[in-house]
Amino acid sequence: QSALTQPASVSGSPGQSITISCTGTSSDVDDYDYVSWYQQYPGKAPKLMIYDVSNRPSGVSSRFSGSKSGNTASLTISGLQAEDEADYYCSSYTTSTTLYLFGTGTKVTVL
Amino acid sequence: EVQLVQSGAEVKKPGESLKISCKASGYDFTSYWIAWVRQIPGKGLEWMGKIDPGDSYTYYNPSFQGHVTISADKSIDTASLQWSRLEASDTAMYYCARGLSAVVFNWGQGTLVTVSS
Repeated sequence: QSALTQPASVSGSPGQSITISCTGTSSDVDDYDYVSWYQQYPGKAPKLMIYDVSNRPSGVSSRFSGSKSGNTASLTISGLQAEDEADYYCSSYTTSTTLYLFGTGTKVTVL
Repeated sequence: EVQLVQSGAEVKKPGESLKISCKASGYDFTSYWIAWVRQIPGKGLEWMGKIDPGDSYTYYNPSFQGHVTISADKSIDTASLQWSRLEASDTAMYYCARGLSAVVFNWGQGTLVTVSS
C-alpha cells in the first residue's frame, strides 16, 4: 500500500461538524496507535494537529479531535470556521518497508 | 523556539547534482530524527526517509532508495538531502521534518526544486 485512503473533499457550513476518514490496513492503522493528522494551507508547510490517534499538541484548538476504529482513523472538526479551510493529511506508522505512510489528503471547504 | 530553516529554491538541469539543507535550532539535534518529505505540485505528501542525527542511522522509503542520500552533521545541527543525478520527475517541494517515535512535530518551510532542461 502506497498511501492511506482519505476522501478527496469534505465540506460544511460554519458552526457545523465534519469528519474526515483515513482508511488503512492491518499493517498500519489497525495495528498501531500511531496515527497523526496534519493541516496544510496552500503554499505552506504542514502543521501537526493530532498525534497518537487522539492527542492534541499544545496550541491546537480543542475543536479538533481524533479517534480510531479498526483500520479507520477519523479527524473531527467541530464548530467549523472559515480558517479551517485547508488540506488535511493523516499519517501512520506501517510495518511495510516504507515505515511511514501519509494519506491521500482531504480538501476541507467551508461553505 | 524550535526552528527548521531550509535552503533556498533551486533550478537545475536533468543529470545535475544537488544538495539541499535543513538547519535545526532550539532543541537537542541528536534527540529527534529528521525526515524528508516530498510534495509534487498539486499532489500529496510522500515520506522519503529519515535519519537519526545521533548515530546517523538512516532509513529510506524503498521508492527513493538509491536515488537520494540523506545525511546529517551534528556539529552544525544540519541535515541534508542530495541527488547525484536529478531527473525532471524530481521537480517538487521538499520538506524536512523533526520527529520522535512516529510523530512529526515540526516542519521546515520547504525547498522548491525545479528540474528542467
